Amino acid sequence: GDSVTQMEGPVTLSEEAFLTINCTYTATGYPSLFWYVQYPGEGLQLLLKATKADDKGSNKGFEATYRKETTSFHLEKGSVQVSDSAVYFCALRHFGNEKLTFGTGTRLTIIP
Amino acid sequence: GAVVSQHPSWVICKSGTSVKIECRSLDFQATTMFWYRQFPKQSLMLMATSNEGSKATYEQGVEKDKFLINHASLTLSTLTVTSAHPEDSSFYICSASLAAGAAYEQYFGPGTRLTVT
Repeated sequence: GDSVTQMEGPVTLSEEAFLTINCTYTATGYPSLFWYVQYPGEGLQLLLKATKADDKGSNKGFEATYRKETTSFHLEKGSVQVSDSAVYFCALRHFGNEKLTFGTGTRLTIIP
Repeated sequence: GAVVSQHPSWVICKSGTSVKIECRSLDFQATTMFWYRQFPKQSLMLMATSNEGSKATYEQGVEKDKFLINHASLTLSTLTVTSAHPEDSSFYICSASLAAGAAYEQYFGPGTRLTVT
């Protein structure tokens, strides 16, 4: 079955540091890939997505590129802010299927 | 657009009582709604998938008689935790799926914090 593996957290960085959160997946075919963000006490929000190989999703300074050859979708940001502190979830979904498969989430804390 | 609300945002109930959580899609009709449970170490567990007018499909290991799901309309789904116990205390999140052409987008509610004393 499908699965998503995220790097173990928690991750703590200083403000303006470079961020990478690794995500790899196991799935048949060509699923769509997503990053969701959950701020403290809130539900999940879609951060970015990519629907086919080599696509780059981007939003709010975050980027992730769909790498079919390495089955990865790593999240990056060049300079993080305190307001980026949240839990980040990588997920996949197959075309025509409504169900998302989530990774375990990575808690990110940015210190000033 | 595509806003999903949950009510209540938090609830405290006594052990043995039942509590109902509502999930509404405010500005769209959802083809499907999902219920998740989030554990303290943040991992999300899909509990069930519900479609309007039909019985919910529960994930393996989720007690359907304990977590009753009713999907009365295209904009409302409810989760009732029956005979709640302290181990049911958790953060429950719903989501609603909106068809976008042949694909789907899933929109999440803000979550409901349940504490059973």
